[in-house]
Amino acid sequence: SAVISQKPSRDICQRGTSLTIQCQVDSQVTMMFWYRQQPGQSLTLIATANQGSEATYESGFVIDKFPISRPNLTFSTLTVSNMSPEDSSIYLCSVGGTQETQYFGPGTRLLVL
Amino acid sequence: GENVEQHPSTLSVQEGDSAVIKCTYSDSASNYFPWYKQELGKGPQLIIDIRSNVGEKKDQRIAVTLNKTAKHFSLHITETQPEDSAVYFCALGGNTPLVFGKGTRLSVIA
Repeated sequence: SAVISQKPSRDICQRGTSLTIQCQVDSQVTMMFWYRQQPGQSLTLIATANQGSEATYESGFVIDKFPISRPNLTFSTLTVSNMSPEDSSIYLCSVGGTQETQYFGPGTRLLVL
Repeated sequence: GENVEQHPSTLSVQEGDSAVIKCTYSDSASNYFPWYKQELGKGPQLIIDIRSNVGEKKDQRIAVTLNKTAKHFSLHITETQPEDSAVYFCALGGNTPLVFGKGTRLSVIA
């Protein structure tokens, strides 16, 4: 399985500011995904990060709020823009393996005050 | 869209006993059924998965069974140990991105 790292591992931010989360994989992967996990909840897919084209967003998530970059096959960023306390969550990067298998990074724990 | 129901939401067992978590789904197009374990402060870890052409898969103390006719699949953990304590998520795969259950918090009491 791929080794996935995320930066930062955690952060405390003021409302109205933005935070960019980085996801680095140790091998080239086709599929990369960003998830949100609110406290005590399950995982919700934000978007699929596509290399060389715009990300594909799920219902309820928009590019202005969660812009995503995917400059190559090993790296992606997710920005949480104009944050509010409701954005306090764990943000997880995952990558696709063979035949739909997905592996997750350690997550970024975000607290918005 | 696809939906998966996971039960129970919490489960406490004595060390050495077995634990069973069940997920039911409605979309017959689903053909991939992974299980993830999430420990406190960590990302979900894939522990076992099964595809629709298989009825059961086992890996040491962990097994997954699939009943495609009844549209449910279950995670079985035998001889539970304190380190099995975590939140477990089932998920569905098929023609759409993975859809996750709400999770089961398993506590193994020593």
